[in-house]
Amino acid sequence: QVHLVESGGGLVQPGRSLRLSCSASGFTFNAYGMHWVRQTPGKGLEWVAASWYDGTNTNYMESVKGRFTISRDKSNDTLYLQMSSLRVDDTGVYYCARGGRHFDNWGHGTLVTVSS
Amino acid sequence: EVALTQSPGTLSLSPGERATLTCRASQSVSSNYLAWYQQKPGQAPRLLMYGASSRASGTPDRFSGSGSGTDFTLTISRLEPEDFAVYFCQHYGNSLFTFGPGTKVDIK
Repeated sequence: QVHLVESGGGLVQPGRSLRLSCSASGFTFNAYGMHWVRQTPGKGLEWVAASWYDGTNTNYMESVKGRFTISRDKSNDTLYLQMSSLRVDDTGVYYCARGGRHFDNWGHGTLVTVSS
Repeated sequence: EVALTQSPGTLSLSPGERATLTCRASQSVSSNYLAWYQQKPGQAPRLLMYGASSRASGTPDRFSGSGSGTDFTLTISRLEPEDFAVYFCQHYGNSLFTFGPGTKVDIK
C-alpha cells in the first residue's frame, strides 16, 4: 500500500534554513504529482508546493516563492522541500501528499517551529 | 485565486442525525476540481470525496457530495461515532490549490 513518511522537521530560528524529506513507497513515484501541504495555527491547511511527475514542472504558493524549493529524487523515491529564509509564520505541520487535482494519500506530517 | 468558505464553522449533532456541510467558492468552479477531506485530532487529513460527488476508496456510502458552480455540499446521512471530526473542502485550478477553513462536526 501507499506509504509516505516525512522527516526533517524541528526548531529553527527565523532566517535560517531547513530541509524536509518524504520517503515514498508502494507506488510508482514518478507517475504521480507530489506535494507539500502545511497546517498552521493561523491559516489552517495551505498547499505549499507541487512537483509534477518527473519533477520537471513545479509550482509554489505565493508566499514561499523564492524561499522554498521542491525537488524529487527518483533513485530513492524521495520528495524534498528545501526551506530558506524561514519566518515565524512558516511554523506548522508539513505534510507530504500524493495527487493531481486532489490529495489521495498523506504522510503523518513533520512539525516545523520557527522561533527565536 | 479561488477562495473557499465553509459553513457552519461548527455543527453540533447527535449520532444518527443527518449532517449537511456547505462549501462556497468565490467564483464559479468546475465540480471536477472540488474535493472533501476528513481530519481527526492528531491525524493527517483523509480524502473523502473528489470531483464533488465521487467517493474515495474506503469512504462509506453514508457520505455523499453534490453541487456545482459556487455551492457544494457534503452530506452525512446518519452520523456514526467515528464521523465526528473536522471536514475541509479543497479546490484545484490554474496550478494552485486552496482549502476551506473547515467545519467541525462535534457531538451534541
